[in-house]
Amino acid sequence: GAVVSQHPSWVICKSGTSVKIECRSLDFQATTMFWYRQFPKQSLMLMATSNEGSKATYEQGVEKDKFLINHASLTLSTLTVTSAHPEDSSFYICSARDTNSPLHFGNGTRLTVT
Amino acid sequence: QKEVEQNSGPLSVPEGAIASLNCTYSDRGSQSFFWYRQYSGKSPELIMSIYSNGDKEDGRFTAQLNKASQYVSLLIRDSQPSDSATYLCAVNEDNDMRFGAGTRLTVKP
Repeated sequence: GAVVSQHPSWVICKSGTSVKIECRSLDFQATTMFWYRQFPKQSLMLMATSNEGSKATYEQGVEKDKFLINHASLTLSTLTVTSAHPEDSSFYICSARDTNSPLHFGNGTRLTVT
Repeated sequence: QKEVEQNSGPLSVPEGAIASLNCTYSDRGSQSFFWYRQYSGKSPELIMSIYSNGDKEDGRFTAQLNKASQYVSLLIRDSQPSDSATYLCAVNEDNDMRFGAGTRLTVKP
């Protein structure tokens, strides 16, 4: 089955630093990748949608200059949380799909900003 | 605005019972439908997909789709405590995937 690898699985960083999260589709070409954030006991919140080779589309209220998304190839997308603050602490999940196929999720990255 | 609605629950059923999870969607052009299971602290995993009206069975899971009523459901037979999780309904149209907020299911031993 389709596998999406997300790295790292958890990260602790200091306030003001930047953190990069990688999302890779291992056995299929991901024309579209999605980045979600989930706070405890809340539902998935879509942050942005990225298509290979083009700029990401951000959901309303998500700062594009703070959450930098790069989808440079059909198998790799990265999310960089810049100048992280404690309120950015959350569970970040990527997902990937080929056109009109089911979404497959990475295992998520638990970010803690101290 | 395209919407996917689920009862947030919690839905509680005894072990061995049938759990019924429901989802409605607003976009009549939706083409494909999915159910994901999410355990606490983990990312969602795909458990069922359905594309045409009717029932689709996979082990203890049955997905039901009624496009005329814009309704998709998931039945879990012989529910087990390990089925306790949040179940997310997802609806796709033209590569735009929308998720419901999820229904939390608890199966009591």
